[in-house]
Amino acid sequence: ETGVTQTPRHLVMGMTNKKSLKCEQHLGHNAMYWYKQSAKKPLELMFVYSLEERVENNSVPSRFSPECPNSSHLFLHLHTLQPEDSALYLCASSQREAAYEQFFGPGTRLTVL
Amino acid sequence: AQKVTQAQTEISVVEKEDVTLDCVYETRDTTYYLFWYKQPPSGELVFLIRRNSFDEQNEISGRYSWNFQKSTSSFNFTITASQVVDSAVYFCALSEDKAAGNKLTFGGGTRVLVKP
Repeated sequence: ETGVTQTPRHLVMGMTNKKSLKCEQHLGHNAMYWYKQSAKKPLELMFVYSLEERVENNSVPSRFSPECPNSSHLFLHLHTLQPEDSALYLCASSQREAAYEQFFGPGTRLTVL
Repeated sequence: AQKVTQAQTEISVVEKEDVTLDCVYETRDTTYYLFWYKQPPSGELVFLIRRNSFDEQNEISGRYSWNFQKSTSSFNFTITASQVVDSAVYFCALSEDKAAGNKLTFGGGTRVLVKP
């Protein structure tokens, strides 16, 4: 595998379910990110991990819980979501310094019923 | 706080026409970085270009060109002789030179539709 991979690509879940999104990067980067993309707000930064430490949490509801066990993996744990959480969830990675571009995965299309 | 504005939400052109996408940014930092990304229908954002605040040289890459003007806080993107494969949403983004993490602020995106 190369680049940034995300699984699953599509997910349908009920409001009472618990699920997790997985992201893996094969680029040797030391920072990883979760973004939410919906029709109302095109690209919202949710979380930033730098050197496996969370450095940004953009007022995201607690029903979204990120986890970064090592520099190559990032998870987003989901529980008791709302229909308005339906969106494309994008993972990205980069070197932690501002000068470097972020590389994105293909995203997980989430639908909450 | 930093902000990126892409005033054009959608542009429709006929193949072989040129199309220019506008991007205006706001930042208080003297050191910052600007980016353009392309998001085709498949969904994955593809990096196109990075420019740092000290380099105002315009750049051309094939049919793509970028015009960075610090005086007007703009970083515009032109596709010359557009093709159907250029149909996508294009995002402009800004990153400030901070110590902790690389935080990108994106504009709202411009959808480009190239018709045959």
